Order: sequence, then structure tokens, then C-alpha cells
Amino acid sequence: GAGVSQSPSNKVTEKGKDVELRCDPISGHTALYWYRQSLGQGLEFLIYFQGNSAPDKSGLPSDRFSAERTGGSVSTLTIQRTQQEDSAVYLCASSLASYGRASGELFFGEGSRLTVL
Amino acid sequence: GDSVTQMEGPVTLSEEAFLTINCTYTATGYPSLFWYVQYPGEGLQLLLKATKADDKGSNKGFEATYRKETTSFHLEKGSVQVSDSAVYFCALKGGATNKLIFGTGTLLAVQP
Repeated sequence: GAGVSQSPSNKVTEKGKDVELRCDPISGHTALYWYRQSLGQGLEFLIYFQGNSAPDKSGLPSDRFSAERTGGSVSTLTIQRTQQEDSAVYLCASSLASYGRASGELFFGEGSRLTVL
Repeated sequence: GDSVTQMEGPVTLSEEAFLTINCTYTATGYPSLFWYVQYPGEGLQLLLKATKADDKGSNKGFEATYRKETTSFHLEKGSVQVSDSAVYFCALKGGATNKLIFGTGTLLAVQP
């Protein structure tokens, strides 16, 4: 399909292990976002990429979290030394260049559910 | 900083009942406002949006009016259906940032 694709859909890992979550955005979308959805916590912004600009990392909760976007397309979110509180659904979204008020429609993937035992 | 507050759920209604989900915001400048919906087993999708004061966004029978004086963007529908059962998220995007800030979501359950 032509939507945002995320993998894996489910990941169970042991505390202390590293995990990588992948996002394939919609072709042609220059903006890419990662959010975390925890039960009762809504959607927590993590990081935002826009074209070749420096990413907005202001939402990353700790230095164990990092993300990269290669070639302006695929993005990988890496969590090192996972903790139980990292358990959540990690959502990726993409959009066309979104400057100005008349924008903001994000297209979301179905998420990667991470469970840290 | 910018924030969104929406009513807690779950909201349980009978089919054909009137729906209101309250949403208020705090933002500097003039944000754009959005409602996103997450149906069971699906990803979030945009339901409607409004980009300036007094604008009304509408889609699928849902409406929300951007009220600057009360900093609100309440979601309404005159007659809900079982298929409207989902989680609804209010969100804002400030004029100076491309970050979309979400509320905590409201679960709506419509019973036949």
C-alpha cells in the first residue's frame, strides 16, 4: 500500500537489550515524526525530521533514545538498554512539508508495540 | 508551553445520541487545531481541522468550531453510530513550530 509502514508490529524484549524500530514514510513526504503512545498518556512527541534540516529532538526522554533518517526517507528509532517504562506503542507519521498554519495533516502508521520484560 | 486538555473518557452513548467531547488549549500565537480519530485496530487519521478563529471544521457528520475567546475546539455530532466507536484526539500545531501536540485522547463507545 501507499501508507506509512512500520516494523516490527510487535516486539518483546528483555530489560537491558537494545531495540530498533523502523518507519517507511509515504513517498514524497519530507516531514517524519515519531510519537509514543502509552496507556492513559496520550501521544508523546519524540522527534521530528524535516528535509535536510537538523531534527527537532526535544521530545526524546533520555539519551538512550536516538533516531536517524537515511536519504530523507526511511527512519529508525533506536532504544538502548531498554527499561520497563519504555513499554509503549511507538507511532511514526509523515506529512508533506508542513510550514505555516494551513498544514499539519499527519499520516500515521499502525505503530510498533514494544514490551520490555 | 503549548498544551491540549480534553475530557477524560470513556464516554458511553446509545446510538443516535448527541455527542460532545470537550477540548481546550493553551498556546502562544495562533495555532491550528485538529481532531484525529483512532478506530480499533487502525492507525490515527485526521478527522477535521480549523486554522483560524471562528473556522468550523467538519467531516463525517462531526463538527468543531475554533473559539479563540474560550480557547476551545469541542467536537460534536448530532447522532452517533456504533461505527463511531473509537478514540478521539484533540491536537494543536503552533504557528512557529511543526510539532503537533496531542491531548490524552477520549474513548467513545456507542452501544446499539
